[in-house]
Amino acid sequence: GENVEQHPSTLSVQEGDSAVIKCTYSDSASNYFPWYKQELGKRPQLIIDIRSNVGEKKDQRIAVTLNKTAKHFSLHITETQPEDSAVYFCAASIQRNTPLVFGKGTRLSVIA
Amino acid sequence: GAVVSQHPSWVICKSGTSVKIECRSLDFQATTMFWYRQFPKQSLMLMATSNEGSKATYEQGVEKDKFLINHASLTLSTLTVTSAHPEDSSFYICSARAGTQGSYEQYFGPGTRLTVT
Repeated sequence: GENVEQHPSTLSVQEGDSAVIKCTYSDSASNYFPWYKQELGKRPQLIIDIRSNVGEKKDQRIAVTLNKTAKHFSLHITETQPEDSAVYFCAASIQRNTPLVFGKGTRLSVIA
Repeated sequence: GAVVSQHPSWVICKSGTSVKIECRSLDFQATTMFWYRQFPKQSLMLMATSNEGSKATYEQGVEKDKFLINHASLTLSTLTVTSAHPEDSSFYICSARAGTQGSYEQYFGPGTRLTVT
């Protein structure tokens, strides 16, 4: 089955700097790659996603890139703010009716 | 946007008792719902996939007789933790996918924190 690896497990950046989180996946059939932000005790919230027919997607300060050949995808957050501090999860899915497989998460701390 | 609710948001029960958690899609029909468990500082671990009108598909290592899942309608799935023990204490989160073509997004419920004493 699918296996998703996520790095780093923790990341500290100064406010205003950029943060990059990387994930790799094992199943070349995976075609949907969302990123979730989870604050303590709350539900994961989708912040951006990308399908396999697209190499890059951007939404304001957040961008995701996908390299299908290398089977890895990355989350880029620019101009980080303290409110970006949370745990971020990447995930992968093969089809609409198959579950998401999550990475282990990255705890991002933005230091003011 | 699509909304998924869970009830209760938190529950404390005694060891040996059973607890039922409800997951509802409030403004869309969910043909498929997923149940996850999340221990402190860990990722979401899939427990089972629930399809309306059919038996749930459990992940390896998840006891189907202990974690009973029922998906009786397109808007409701329930997870019953039977004979709960302290090691079952966790954050349980459901998610749902709409039945619309081309939609991949999963919508998560707010989670249920279960504490077994």
